[in-house]
Amino acid sequence: GQSLEQPSEVTAVEGAIVQINCTYQTSGFYGLSWYQQHDGGAPTFLSYNGLDGLEETGRFSSFLSRSDSYGYLLLQELQMKDSASYFCAPNRDDKIIFGKGTRLHILP
Amino acid sequence: DGGITQSPKYLFRKEGQNVTLSCEQNLNHDAMYWYRQDPGQGLRLIYYSQIVNDFQKGDIAEGYSVSREKKESFPLTVTSAQKNPTAFYLCASSIPGQGARQPQHFGDGTRLSIL
Repeated sequence: GQSLEQPSEVTAVEGAIVQINCTYQTSGFYGLSWYQQHDGGAPTFLSYNGLDGLEETGRFSSFLSRSDSYGYLLLQELQMKDSASYFCAPNRDDKIIFGKGTRLHILP
Repeated sequence: DGGITQSPKYLFRKEGQNVTLSCEQNLNHDAMYWYRQDPGQGLRLIYYSQIVNDFQKGDIAEGYSVSREKKESFPLTVTSAQKNPTAFYLCASSIPGQGARQPQHFGDGTRLSIL
């Protein structure tokens, strides 16, 4: 079967750190991508984990554990512009699977 | 600059009418995808194509059709058989490769509404 779970909403304070978790189950798994989408806009690629461990890109980090079928996106020094939806997206050999995403609300 | 162009940005369809959404890319990507997004929901895959003259159904292909006659173009037709077509449609492209990074680049989307 195929499944993908991430929280529907997360709220954090400006300047803080937030972690968005993702668990997945899919055949033909190659890696895990994360995308950001602002209201009314198109998704934009944030990061990709092909191997276990942590990938860091500026304020954003992403982690993958293949054995646990688990990953997370870590956002540090939150800014108001980070208010958006974040999608965990398992990569298969032929396509990428998108879930419903996590809506991140940031409080001033 | 390279990118994906979707047109039109807004589209209105009458009952019983077929409409075609355009998607063009100049990134030289082999793979192209069509997604549907409903308000507050995630992206659902409609059709995808890994190479010219070949395409596969995604999770919600019923009521839609596509063609891939050129590498740069992957138009989506929403047929009258699609009874609930109101949604945000997103086209994407990527470099296919097993085990490789394959970030998808998205167009700005087309919002389709029923008159």
